[in-house]
Amino acid sequence: GAVVSQHPSRVICKSGTSVKIECRSLDFQATTMFWYRQFPKQSLMLMATSNEGSKATYEQGVEKDKFLINHASLTLSTLTVTSAHPEDSSFYICSATPSGGSYNEQFFGPGTRLTVL
Amino acid sequence: ILNVEQSPQSLHVQEGDSTNFTCSFPSSNFYALHWYRWETAKSPEALFVMTLNGDEKKKGRISATLNTKEGYSYLYIKGSQPEDSATYLCASAGISNSGYALNFGKGTSLLVTP
Repeated sequence: GAVVSQHPSRVICKSGTSVKIECRSLDFQATTMFWYRQFPKQSLMLMATSNEGSKATYEQGVEKDKFLINHASLTLSTLTVTSAHPEDSSFYICSATPSGGSYNEQFFGPGTRLTVL
Repeated sequence: ILNVEQSPQSLHVQEGDSTNFTCSFPSSNFYALHWYRWETAKSPEALFVMTLNGDEKKKGRISATLNTKEGYSYLYIKGSQPEDSATYLCASAGISNSGYALNFGKGTSLLVTP
C-alpha cells in the first residue's frame, strides 16, 4: 500500500515551454502533498506544500508564478514549470501524506527528471 | 533553515560487513528525524521516524538511534547484503514558510559487493 506515482519520469523540453508533472496517490487519499527538487550533488529541497482545494504555500525563494501547483483532487497534484529555462533543469519529486495522517508519514513518488535545452 | 549533514558521502563494503552512517542536525526546534532508503529509479522508502531522545528503532538488520540533545542519529546495518545497496537519506522535520518541512541531508551512498 501507500504508492505514489509521478508522470512523466523524464522530460526534455525547449527553453520557454511549459511542462506539467503529475503526482498521484494510487491507493490512498492525500489532502497534503509536497513538492521537492534536487539539483546535482545537492539535497532534496522542499519547494512547496500543496493542499487539496486551496492554494499551495511556497518556500522562500520559490517563485509561485513560475511553479504553478494545482491540487484539485485528493489523489492528484500537478506542478507546472512555466516558461522553463535551463536553470530549471532538475529532479522534481513529490510526496503525499494520507488524509487524517501525520505529516511524519510522507510517501514519495519516484521523481521526474526535467531537462531544459 | 535547518542544516542536515550526513557522513560519509559514500561507502563501499563487502557482503557480510556491518556498517553505520551518521546524520547530524540542529538540535533546536526539533520535531522528528526521518531515515529513508532510496534505490536508483525507485521511490524513497521510509525506514524510521524517531521523535524522542534516546529512541532506538529496528527493522530486520537495520537499526537507528537518536540523540536530540547533541543533534545526531546513527543508522546501522548488520551483515550487509548486496540488496542493501542504496542511498540512505536522513531528514530533520521542522516548521518552514510553507508549514511542516523535511530538511534532507545529501545522503550516504552505500555499495555492498559480494
